[in-house]
Amino acid sequence: GQSLEQPSEVTAVEGAIVQINCTYQTSGFYGLSWYQQHDGGAPTFLSYNGLDGLEETGRFSSFLSRSDSYGYLLLQELQMKDSASYFCASTHPNQGGKLIFGQGTELSVKP
Amino acid sequence: GAVVSQHPSWVICKSGTSVKIECRSLDFQATTMFWYRQFPKQSLMLMATSNEGSKATYEQGVEKDKFLINHASLTLSTLTVTSAHPEDSSFYICSAASGSYEQYFGPGTRLTVT
Repeated sequence: GQSLEQPSEVTAVEGAIVQINCTYQTSGFYGLSWYQQHDGGAPTFLSYNGLDGLEETGRFSSFLSRSDSYGYLLLQELQMKDSASYFCASTHPNQGGKLIFGQGTELSVKP
Repeated sequence: GAVVSQHPSWVICKSGTSVKIECRSLDFQATTMFWYRQFPKQSLMLMATSNEGSKATYEQGVEKDKFLINHASLTLSTLTVTSAHPEDSSFYICSAASGSYEQYFGPGTRLTVT
């Protein structure tokens, strides 16, 4: 089957650094995306790894290791507004470009 | 850029009726649109993938006769929930893609069936 595993909850304080891990077992895997979703809102794209290694976009970085079927999202200088759910998703261009989402990690940032 | 709208944002309907949800890409042409369903505190579950002018591809376990998808143009896809029942109550989200790995999501439609 297809599965992406993430921790269900993470709590951190403002200004800290947090890492959200994602391990996957998917066929036809092409790359790993990360999305943020605030309560009741639309998911928004954060980052994509098509190749192994680190991608940096401002305070957010994402990493992929295909040999380990593993990736992570790193959030630095945490702010209260970063409290949200974070989803990793595998991309499948040979299946119409669909995304298969992990179960999501709810991040709570405390003052 | 890359804005996707959904209409309505919320709807309440009676059991047995049908509801249509529209998804539009406002400033780009979407080669593919996707429909997801999300229960509270859960992940997004892909229901179907649709391409303009062709039949939608449904994920395993999704009833194609119950969830009718029409992709009439490169900027519009509709999802019709037919003969809705309380268990169909959920948050329905569409997304649109124009060939890259990134999907642009609509704001979602909250459906409540009474």
